[in-house]
Amino acid sequence: GDSVTQMEGPVTLSEEAFLTINCTYTATGYPSLFWYVQYPGEGLQLLLKATKADDKGSNKGFEATYRKETTSFHLEKGSVQVSDSAVYFCALSVGAAGNKLTFGGGTRVLVKP
Amino acid sequence: GAGVSQSPSNKVTEKGKDVELRCDPISGHTALYWYRQSLGQGLEFLIYFQGNSAPDKSGLPSDRFSAERTGGSVSTLTIQRTQQEDSAVYLCASSGRPEQGNEQYFGPGTRLTVT
Repeated sequence: GDSVTQMEGPVTLSEEAFLTINCTYTATGYPSLFWYVQYPGEGLQLLLKATKADDKGSNKGFEATYRKETTSFHLEKGSVQVSDSAVYFCALSVGAAGNKLTFGGGTRVLVKP
Repeated sequence: GAGVSQSPSNKVTEKGKDVELRCDPISGHTALYWYRQSLGQGLEFLIYFQGNSAPDKSGLPSDRFSAERTGGSVSTLTIQRTQQEDSAVYLCASSGRPEQGNEQYFGPGTRLTVT
């Protein structure tokens, strides 16, 4: 079946540091890949997505590139802020448009001033 | 416009009781999803409705769980004879047509505690 593996947290870093969260996947078909974010006390929000190999999703300074050869979709940000403290989920969907999401376990990120 | 709304926001129930959780999707969205977020299992898919098609129930963990979507809009997730392992946050999401990007928009969730 489909699965997503992402690095366990928590990840603690200082403001302006570089952030990488690794995500790898296995899929029965050709997946679309997503990063969702859950800020404290808030619901899940889509952060970025990529629908085909070599696509780069980007939003709010975050980037992730769809790497089919390594089945990866690592999330990066060059200079984090305290406001980036949240739980980040990597996810995939396979098949027809609007299909269900398979999530990774989530990575909690804490950015200290 | 209004986002996905869910009610109640919190529900505490005794083991063995039935509960109903409600989801109001974004108006015009054709697809509706239920997920569960728990400490032990992470975020897991439960059920998916798309228009008038038969729902994809492949994620429901047992026959105590059921869901319906009336009139292609509001959905109710029902858990019968609740167990302590059902304690979790139940999330609802909806998405529009593919040409709209079919991004899933999530509601705030219902936190269920079974005592």
